[in-house]
Amino acid sequence: EDQVTQSPEALRLQEGESSSLNCSYTVSGLRGLFWYRQDPGKGPEFLFTLYSAGEEKEKERLKATLTKKESFLHITAPKPEDSATYLCAVQAGGGVSKLIFGTGTRLQVFP
Amino acid sequence: DADVTQTPRNRITKTGKRIMLECSQTKGHDRMYWYRQDPGLGLRLIYYSFDVKDINKGEISDGYSVSRQAQAKFSLSLESAIPNQTALYFCATSDLLTGWDTQYFGPGTRLTVL
Repeated sequence: EDQVTQSPEALRLQEGESSSLNCSYTVSGLRGLFWYRQDPGKGPEFLFTLYSAGEEKEKERLKATLTKKESFLHITAPKPEDSATYLCAVQAGGGVSKLIFGTGTRLQVFP
Repeated sequence: DADVTQTPRNRITKTGKRIMLECSQTKGHDRMYWYRQDPGLGLRLIYYSFDVKDINKGEISDGYSVSRQAQAKFSLSLESAIPNQTALYFCATSDLLTGWDTQYFGPGTRLTVL
C-alpha cells in the first residue's frame, strides 16, 4: 500500500537553529514528491517538486532533497516566519495517479 | 484578489441536511480537486476533474457528489450530511501541463455537522 510518513510530528526550534524534517515514503513507482507549507487557517502553499533520487531544490532558507526512500526538508537558520506545518506528498505511478499526503510536521520557531 | 476562492468559509449544519461548498478560480487551470483534511489523517482526495466533462472519484467519494459548472467552478455537495463529515475542505487547481504538480489551494471551508 502506498504510504507517506512524516517525522517529527512537531518541532520547536530557536531562531537560527538549523534542522531537518523527514518524509519517508513507500510507493509503487514514484512520479514525484512534493513539499507544501500550510499556515494556520489557510490552504497549503506549494514549495518544491522532486522527481528523482539525488535531486535537490532550494528556496531561501529551505532545501529539499530526495533519496529512493525518503525526502528531507532542511531549514537553515530559521526565522519565526518559517513557523508553519510542512506537508509532504507523493505521486505514485501506474493506473490513476493521485497525490498521497503525509500528516505534516508542525514547526515552531521562537525568537 | 485570491486566485482560488471557496464559499462559505465556515458552515455549521445539522445531520441530514444537504450542503453545497463552492469553489471558483481565476487561474485559468483545467484541473480542479476537492480534498478534506482531518487531524492526524492528512489531506485526502474526494473528487477531481480534468475538464468540464471529466469527473473522477477520489479515495473517499462516498457521501459526496460534485458538479463542474464551468472551467472555473467546481462544487462539492453533501447530499445528507453526517457528523463524521465534519472536517476542513479544500479546493485546489493545477495546470494541464504540470498535471498533479503544483496544486494551488483555496483557503478552505470549515464544516461542522451536528
